[in-house]
Amino acid sequence: EPEVTQTPSHQVTQMGQEVILRCVPISNHLYFYWYRQILGQKVEFLVSFYNNEISEKSEIFDDQFSVERPDGSNFTLKIRSTKLEDSAMYFCASQDRLVSYEQYFGPGTRLTVT
Amino acid sequence: QKEVEQDPGPLSVPEGAIVSLNCTYSNSAFQYFMWYRQYSRKGPELLMYTYSSGNKEDGRFTAQVDKSSKYISLFIRDSQPSDSATYLCAMSAIYGNNRLAFGKGNQVVVIP
Repeated sequence: EPEVTQTPSHQVTQMGQEVILRCVPISNHLYFYWYRQILGQKVEFLVSFYNNEISEKSEIFDDQFSVERPDGSNFTLKIRSTKLEDSAMYFCASQDRLVSYEQYFGPGTRLTVT
Repeated sequence: QKEVEQDPGPLSVPEGAIVSLNCTYSNSAFQYFMWYRQYSRKGPELLMYTYSSGNKEDGRFTAQVDKSSKYISLFIRDSQPSDSATYLCAMSAIYGNNRLAFGKGNQVVVIP
């Protein structure tokens, strides 16, 4: 069964450093999302992406964040200058939307900023 | 008023019991309703997906949506220890970009 994959599973970085989180969505899906979950809190929407453009972003997704689909398979989230409060689980999700509106999530990347 | 409310209180039930979970929401534009299961430090796994109002059954799981009351439920029959996890409700509108709004999640423990 196709699934969303994410790398790395855990990333430790120092405050101020740049990180890139990688995702490989399900191959025939067209819509891609990033969400984050701070420990003990709700899963929060960050950004949606379709046709090589950001479709919608939340107020969390400020200028420090960017997304890219550099090739036909990868979907990346970059945080330019990490802060302590960026420590969270980051989930990528993908959606077909031609057939259904279900969103399928990857296993997540745990980002720890020290 | 929060967009999606889910009482996050942990729930312990004996094996074989019925688990009942629910969420309320305030945004009347929500049309797609989902339940995800999440194990500790893992990604949400889609369990049930319902469009608009009504019931949907899949094995031991039943999802109900009452749009008039802005209330959704998940029932797990004949609960098993393997059902122990956190259950998240999530929903999205039909227009726009389908961002999911999540509840806080219910931790369920099924005791053998």
